[in-house]
Amino acid sequence: QKEVEQNSGPLSVPEGAIASLNCTYSDRGSQSFFWYRQYSGKSPELIMFIYSNGDKEDGRFTAQLNKASQYVSLLIRDSQPSDSATYLCLSQRGGADGLTFGKGTHLIIQP
Amino acid sequence: DAGITQSPRYKITETGRQVTLMCHQTWSHSYMFWYRQDLGHGLRLIYYSAAADITDKGEVPDGYVVSRSKTENFPLTLESATRSQTSVYFCASSESLRLAGAQETQYFGPGTRLLVL
Repeated sequence: QKEVEQNSGPLSVPEGAIASLNCTYSDRGSQSFFWYRQYSGKSPELIMFIYSNGDKEDGRFTAQLNKASQYVSLLIRDSQPSDSATYLCLSQRGGADGLTFGKGTHLIIQP
Repeated sequence: DAGITQSPRYKITETGRQVTLMCHQTWSHSYMFWYRQDLGHGLRLIYYSAAADITDKGEVPDGYVVSRSKTENFPLTLESATRSQTSVYFCASSESLRLAGAQETQYFGPGTRLLVL
């Protein structure tokens, strides 16, 4: 069974610090990885995607992918209270049967 | 307005009734998806569609029926609602599922909160 594991949290980080969110996956055939942010009562919204090993930066966000170790992470620099949300990790292998969401990490940024 | 919309946003129904949740997207995306989100389970795929008239089961399809006669619409029907189908339902769409990167990105609708009494 394909699995995507995330620490459910809550992960508490002081404002201005770096928040580090981690995700491990079991399917070695997974090719693309997506990070979504979901505010309470709202729908998931895309933050960024990554499909090559290494780092990918977009503003305050950096996604890191290590296919050999089967983990993907999301770093949020200069954390703001508005970053407080649940972050969902999605792995895709190609085809709907390759879609697997993690259960999400609840992030709290403390002012 | 461009994007993906769902209706109704909130629905209360009774056990045994038929309920249809609507989803409409304006991007002409090929793929559309229905998920349910429950505490402790995260997002689970119910059904998906690769194109008009092509649908397939996801992880939790029992008790649900879908159709896709037009590219832009993907309704989800609960034929005989049960309490266990109380959940938040999200519709999503994407251009592709087989091209790594941006074209695989799923965009979600605002969700429908369904309560089955």
